Amino acid sequence: AQKITQTQPGMFVQEKEAVTLDCTYDTSDPSYGLFWYKQPSSGEMIFLIYQGSYDQQNATEGRYSLNFQKARKSANLVISASQLGDSAMYFCAMREGPRGYGGATNKLIFGTGTLLAVQP
Amino acid sequence: DVKVTQSSRYLVKRTGEKVFLECVQDMDHENMFWYRQDPGLGLRLIYFSYDVKMKEKGDIPEGYSVSREKKERFSLILESASTNQTSMYLCASSLGQGSNQPQHFGDGTRLSIL
Repeated sequence: AQKITQTQPGMFVQEKEAVTLDCTYDTSDPSYGLFWYKQPSSGEMIFLIYQGSYDQQNATEGRYSLNFQKARKSANLVISASQLGDSAMYFCAMREGPRGYGGATNKLIFGTGTLLAVQP
Repeated sequence: DVKVTQSSRYLVKRTGEKVFLECVQDMDHENMFWYRQDPGLGLRLIYFSYDVKMKEKGDIPEGYSVSREKKERFSLILESASTNQTSMYLCASSLGQGSNQPQHFGDGTRLSIL
């Protein structure tokens, strides 16, 4: 069965430092996608970055990058130059499911999240 | 920008009541989803829909039903609310085509069943 594991329930990082949030996944499907979301205390889920299983390069979006190691089935999120506003819960998710119905249903399975606290 | 709107941020209901949570998206997305979020468990999929009048069970559908009569609206129904359904409920939508399409979420509804 497909599964996402985030082993860090919580982390601290100093402002302006880089931080890595771990995510490992398990799937037998050769085609899959990995997503990271941020959830501030206000509750909304904000999409950060996407990595496809066939993408040759690691995804980057501004200060966010994804350290994708396919053989190890890991997709760690790296946040460079942490800011106080980065304090939030971070979720890793994997797209699963058939691509039937004329297109992908884009069902996601989520990890349990990592709570990041950025300290001044 | 995609806008997913959930009808209430906070809702308090009594056990046994029939509860409706409404979700509307404005980007003509084919797929819509309902999740519940509980501490330590992450997000768990209740139901999803890939087209009008189509629905499929997620991982935890028991005690819930859904309705999608129009493409932009996806309703979650608690047939007879129970205290173990107290939770944060999140609605999301995504395009049907393209495996790299993210889900876009609403702000969530904190539901308390007393």
